[in-house]
Amino acid sequence: GENVEQHPSTLSVQEGDSAVIKCTYSDSASNYFPWYKQELGKRPQLIIDIRSNVGEKKDQRIAVTLNKTAKHFSLHITETQPEDSAVYFCAASIGTDSWGKLQFGAGTQVVVTP
Amino acid sequence: KAGVTQTPRYLIKTRGQQVTLSCSPISGHRSVSWYQQTPGQGLQFLFEYFSETQRNKGNFPGRFSGRQFSNSRSEMNVSTLELGDSALYLCASSLVGLSSYNEQFFGPGTRLTVL
Repeated sequence: GENVEQHPSTLSVQEGDSAVIKCTYSDSASNYFPWYKQELGKRPQLIIDIRSNVGEKKDQRIAVTLNKTAKHFSLHITETQPEDSAVYFCAASIGTDSWGKLQFGAGTQVVVTP
Repeated sequence: KAGVTQTPRYLIKTRGQQVTLSCSPISGHRSVSWYQQTPGQGLQFLFEYFSETQRNKGNFPGRFSGRQFSNSRSEMNVSTLELGDSALYLCASSLVGLSSYNEQFFGPGTRLTVL
């Protein structure tokens, strides 16, 4: 069935270090892969996304890579800062006519310690 | 541009009651998706509406329903509430939906507590 697995569930990093979160998906038809950041008590915020025709995308300290053959994609945060502390969710569109349907990973709690 | 808004922000109900939640998308956005967020199950897709039509549906019982109005505002209804329905209900809007590669933007959510 449709499934997105996300690892690790928690990640503690020192300020300035890099953080990597990995996700795998099962639906071969998935073609859109967004990443959301959710701070405590707030709404999920889209931080970066990637389409199936692209292997890598970067936006300042954040980058996402996609390997369609292996069905996995990763979020990379470099030079982490305390304000990067939050829960990060990966997601994948489901089906060829996915119209607004995203399958989410379980989330990764990232803690950046000064 | 104003973001996605949801009302009410907090709601307390008792088992067996029904509830209606409202979502106003970003101006110009025609697709509205609804998600349920719980600590145990994470973010789960409920359904998506576009031009007043439900285009996609998740794996939730028939007690969960929704609709969309001509101005793209959407409501979801949960009937015969159960304790397990306690959750944060999030709606997200996009221009025309993921098939056209448009990003989804989330509202602040409605926190529903069922006693």
